Amino acid sequence: DAGVIQSPRHEVTEMGQEVTLRCKPISGHDYLFWYRQTMMRGLELLIYFNNNVPIDDSGMPEDRFSAKMPNASFSTLKIQPSEPRDSAVYFCASSFITGKEQYFGPGTRLTVT
Amino acid sequence: KQEVTQIPAALSVPEGENLVLNCSFTDSAIYNLQWFRQDPGKGLTSLLLIQSSQREQTSGRLNASLDKSSGRSTLYIAASQPGDSATYLCAVSNDYKLSFGAGTTVTVRA
Repeated sequence: DAGVIQSPRHEVTEMGQEVTLRCKPISGHDYLFWYRQTMMRGLELLIYFNNNVPIDDSGMPEDRFSAKMPNASFSTLKIQPSEPRDSAVYFCASSFITGKEQYFGPGTRLTVT
Repeated sequence: KQEVTQIPAALSVPEGENLVLNCSFTDSAIYNLQWFRQDPGKGLTSLLLIQSSQREQTSGRLNASLDKSSGRSTLYIAASQPGDSATYLCAVSNDYKLSFGAGTTVTVRA
């Protein structure tokens, strides 16, 4: 298996622009997680899905952030409008069963200028 | 809210020395504990997963112990090598939610 796939790997955009991050989980995994990593706050869970349904989005910082999972093999995290404080590395992870090992993608490094 | 602490924040050792990385957590009602490795600018690589019912897990030169009652885990890396230089993250699972420590950055000097 190719592992969790994320795109793009790097994104540089201007404040106010819409940003869309993409993730393809490992085939057969029922759980998908979006995390954000910053120097100040470390790794934080933003939202997670089970069988394509959002279960807990309490970590989503603001209404500017939204996430979807239209099918079992694809998820997006959208920021609209983007702000400089959104600059971070965004990771997607998937797992087969809740409470089991999570596998992380390579991350998307977002820079908002 | 689960709080995860890793001590020390950074560690530098000569090649061949054994490494001891510590992780503590506040809520002992965990499903499992996972140790990750992160190289600069890279994603997270899972090293070991310890279920809440287990006391330790081993993989090659790595050994992780778990004392759930005291809220502690220790990652041992035997006979360290320069390739072990990375940041090591401890993550505790309460059901689906992983709570991460800030990590220990390890430098192994050749």
